[in-house]
Amino acid sequence: DQQVKQNSPSLSVQEGRISILNCDYTNSMFDYFLWYKKYPAEGPTFLISISSIKDKNEDGRFTVFLNKSAKHLSLHIVPSQPGDSAVYFCAASAMQGGSEKLVFGKGTKLTVNP
Amino acid sequence: EADIYQTPRYLVIGTGKKITLECSQTMGHDKMYWYQQDPGMELHLIHYSYGVNSTEKGDLSSESTVSRIRTEHFPLTLESARPSHTSQYLCASSAYYEQYFGPGTRLTVT
Repeated sequence: DQQVKQNSPSLSVQEGRISILNCDYTNSMFDYFLWYKKYPAEGPTFLISISSIKDKNEDGRFTVFLNKSAKHLSLHIVPSQPGDSAVYFCAASAMQGGSEKLVFGKGTKLTVNP
Repeated sequence: EADIYQTPRYLVIGTGKKITLECSQTMGHDKMYWYQQDPGMELHLIHYSYGVNSTEKGDLSSESTVSRIRTEHFPLTLESARPSHTSQYLCASSAYYEQYFGPGTRLTVT
């Protein structure tokens, strides 16, 4: 049973607009969440993370929002650029539970059109 | 910027061969991980290590084995490759929460 779900396999947006990538989780023990970006034939690159004690974290064009009650997080990219086209993975961990292992979703392929 | 290296980047090999996928990091991270990923699927943890001489199996069963004799080196070995081992293998390391990945090895077993 998938503990981290990214229900949209793909997303297409226009350059300059906002990209919103969504992620849901089922394990209430998860307390740390990360987003990774992956280009074909390369390893994932860490983008941004958020602890469960926060509901928002921002880094430049990237903002992650966490809604603990809904067990939902989202990554906002504003403005979107063609170079953002990649697969985005959501990952979660139960750090306070002593597990530093990450559980990944299946990814969402983002295409930013010029 | 993370410095973690994997070789080879691509490998095509016949069934029954023994292979070792190399992973090295220069950041002095204690924790290292091996993931397996197929297209359109999530990354699955197959092995991890929290330090020298410490290795554990991950959540996805794998016929591969690993060793951690030095902090910076975490090789993965398949004693007898099979077509079902065809996949991308990703190595990662971490000091705290964020894991940093190498470029991966794309393995094809014919």
